[in-house]
Amino acid sequence: EAQVTQNPRYLITVTGKKLTVTCSQNMNHEYMSWYRQDPGLGLRQIYYSMNVEVTDKGDVPEGYKVSRKEKRNFPLILESPSPNQTSLYFCASSLNPDRYEQYFGPGTRLTVT
Amino acid sequence: QQQVKQSPQSLIVQKGGISIINCAYENTAFDYFPWYQQFPGKGPALLIAIRPDVSEKKEGRFTISFNKSAKQFSLHIMDSQPGDSATYFCAAAYSGYSTLTFGKGTMLLVSP
Repeated sequence: EAQVTQNPRYLITVTGKKLTVTCSQNMNHEYMSWYRQDPGLGLRQIYYSMNVEVTDKGDVPEGYKVSRKEKRNFPLILESPSPNQTSLYFCASSLNPDRYEQYFGPGTRLTVT
Repeated sequence: QQQVKQSPQSLIVQKGGISIINCAYENTAFDYFPWYQQFPGKGPALLIAIRPDVSEKKEGRFTISFNKSAKQFSLHIMDSQPGDSATYFCAAAYSGYSTLTFGKGTMLLVSP
């Protein structure tokens, strides 16, 4: 089944404890992206990647890191999480930068206390 | 700066009625306008999309109307059903550039 998977689905952590949210797609998509969803703010892009080893900042990149060492994986790293990073996170992918349909993962709900 | 403005924030429609959600954009370089549907506990999924060379696109009960001169587009859900209850996001993108700019979303509730 073609899909985007994220792990973990739920995570509660404390301020300053480094964490990684994994994202993997099995559709051989070139483009991958991370969004955060907050009530009243909609979906805001954190980082995106046009292809392996190519990443760029989205609208809200502060406090986040990403890497794209393999085509299928695009982990989101929070080096020192803070409470304002409590949010619902979505990974998405599309075939290539010229194809606009994005396939979203099921989401990761992160709580930072 | 919000590049895509969506309204209303929430909407309650009776079963069988028409749901209308509106979006407006500023940047005339946008040339792809999708709508995404999100059910609780799920990621958004593409519902329908339009490019500015047409004024309307219909897929089943879902229609996008596009007004290029007014820089507005809207989603119409005909014969709304309780199963349509979800959050709807409009979005916009530039040609050759996959990044989507989303509106803030509309929570639709279709009452039985």
